[in-house]
Amino acid sequence: SAVISQKPSRDICQRGTSLTIQCQVDSQVTMMFWYRQQPGQSLTLIATANQGSEATYESGFVIDKFPISRPNLTFSTLTVSNMSPEDSSIYLCSVVFSGQGTDTQYFGPGTRLTVL
Amino acid sequence: DAKTTQPTSMDCAEGRAANLPCNHSTISGNEYVYWYRQIHSQGPQYIIHGLKNNETNEMASLIITEDRKSSTLILPHATLRDTAVYYCIVTNTDKLIFGTGTRLQVFP
Repeated sequence: SAVISQKPSRDICQRGTSLTIQCQVDSQVTMMFWYRQQPGQSLTLIATANQGSEATYESGFVIDKFPISRPNLTFSTLTVSNMSPEDSSIYLCSVVFSGQGTDTQYFGPGTRLTVL
Repeated sequence: DAKTTQPTSMDCAEGRAANLPCNHSTISGNEYVYWYRQIHSQGPQYIIHGLKNNETNEMASLIITEDRKSSTLILPHATLRDTAVYYCIVTNTDKLIFGTGTRLQVFP
């Protein structure tokens, strides 16, 4: 079965800095998404990563804070910019695989971010 | 997307069937019912989905009522490894809106 990987798996960062999270898939996908899970909370969709164009952000999330790239069908990055302790969360990517005939999303293992 | 209601928590004895209910009384005709689970802050794991017919795979069975206003996820023989938060989601788009889910505790 296909593998979805994220790097880094975890990080501890200082406030005011930025962190770029990578999501890599070993087979082609049609759609890629980024989610955030704050401590003790459920998942919230940040944005849809569109290949070759700007990401589509959900209400409450903006490009300046969470710039996203998707240069090809199997790779995307999410940057958490100018971090504050409130950004401490698990960040997850999810994908819809090509050719499966459904919109079922499969999730990566997540990146646990702690901001001091 | 339709809103779902799930019990906050449930217990199940190991080896017994775990039946997790989900209410989605405002579901529309083209919305699917999806189930995911999340084991201790790992990425959510897809379990099963359906539109109106009952579905079964190697992990679970999904029973959807005829009026589609509720469904039940059945884990036929729960193990300790099934302890997780289970999310029921209804959607007709590529967007998943996660509620608070049901925390299932399987005990020996």
